[in-house]
Amino acid sequence: EAQVTQNPRYLITVTGKKLTVTCSQNMNHEYMSWYRQDPGLGLRQIYYSMNVEVTDKGDVPEGYKVSRKEKRNFPLILESPSPNQTSLYFCASSFLGVMNTEAFFGQGTRLTVV
Amino acid sequence: RKEVEQDPGPFNVPEGATVAFNCTYSNSASQSFFWYRQDCRKEPKLLMSVYSSGNEDGRFTAQLNRASQYISLLIRDSKLSDSATYLCVVSWEGYQKVTFGIGTKLQVIP
Repeated sequence: EAQVTQNPRYLITVTGKKLTVTCSQNMNHEYMSWYRQDPGLGLRQIYYSMNVEVTDKGDVPEGYKVSRKEKRNFPLILESPSPNQTSLYFCASSFLGVMNTEAFFGQGTRLTVV
Repeated sequence: RKEVEQDPGPFNVPEGATVAFNCTYSNSASQSFFWYRQDCRKEPKLLMSVYSSGNEDGRFTAQLNRASQYISLLIRDSKLSDSATYLCVVSWEGYQKVTFGIGTKLQVIP
């Protein structure tokens, strides 16, 4: 089954404790991206990747890091989480461009930073 | 001004009604346009791509007006299962940069 898998689905952590949210896709897509969704703001693009070792910033990259060492994986790293990073996070993958054809989203990670 | 604007609703409509949503975008260099559906904070799923020529998929019709910089979604014969939030999505810069609208919430009532 074609899918994008995020882990964990739910996470409560404390300010400053490094964490990684994993994202994996099994569709051999070149393009992957991360978004956060906050009430009243919609989804906002954090980072995207066009291929292995090729990443670029989206609209809200501050406080986040990404890496793309393998085609199927695109982890999101919060080196020192802060409460304003409490949000619902989605990873997505797509075939031709980040948003040119259909993007497939993971089920989301609900992060709370206290 | 927000780059992609949608009326957040909610739109409460009876079953069988026709409902239309609009979405305006400010970036004239926008390249691709989509409507995604999101159920109750679950992952967004593609509903339809939007083209200037218009496209139809069953009860759903989407239209792009580049001159006025808006896209529309028409849902005919609304079903209870259409209740969801509909996200307007625009991409540019080689389809890599993406902006989502905040979504329009639709509630179809019996």
